[in-house]
Amino acid sequence: GQQVMQIPQYQHVQEGEDFTTYCNSSTTLSNIQWYKQRPGGHPVFLIQLVKSGEVKKQKRLTFQFGEAKKNSSLHITATQTTDVGTYFCAGGVRGGSYIPTFGRGTSLIVHP
Amino acid sequence: GAGVSQTPSNKVTEKGKYVELRCDPISGHTALYWYRQSLGQGPEFLIYFQGTGAADDSGLPNDRFFAVRPEGSVSTLKIQRTERGDSAVYLCASSGQGGTGELFFGEGSRLTVL
Repeated sequence: GQQVMQIPQYQHVQEGEDFTTYCNSSTTLSNIQWYKQRPGGHPVFLIQLVKSGEVKKQKRLTFQFGEAKKNSSLHITATQTTDVGTYFCAGGVRGGSYIPTFGRGTSLIVHP
Repeated sequence: GAGVSQTPSNKVTEKGKYVELRCDPISGHTALYWYRQSLGQGPEFLIYFQGTGAADDSGLPNDRFFAVRPEGSVSTLKIQRTERGDSAVYLCASSGQGGTGELFFGEGSRLTVL
């Protein structure tokens, strides 16, 4: 079945440093979604990418979808303590039921 | 409007008991998903409803797990003869875009099987 792999599992950064998490799928995706889960909370939707090679920005966050639609990345510039949490990618394959498959997530720890 | 509501927020039960977890999705959302999340892991798909019918139940681990959505709104996840390995946070999510867009998650139901 479809698998979504995410690295790294954990990332410690000093406040102000940049952060990147990478997501790879075993199959070509119709789209990719990114979610953020704060400690003790539930996943909250950040963005969805649909087109091959698509790049979207949200303030300090930059999301990319690979040309082959099998990989994606999230980059945060100049991290802040409010960025702490676990970031998940979720890939979906169209055809039949749309079931987002989540990666294991990358936990970001920001040290002030 | 209200978000996705899940009850109970916490459930502690003994091995072998029966458990029901309830999800009330965002009004008008036709797509409803159940996921299970263990510590340090991503949400693991269990079952997907489009309207009243289970469009995909391939993620249910075994026949002790069952879910219903009789009127196309509230859903109940039912676990029979619970085992310690069933302990996890059970997340419900709904989506209003035919199941191809943003998932709105509830706060989850934390199940602990002693």
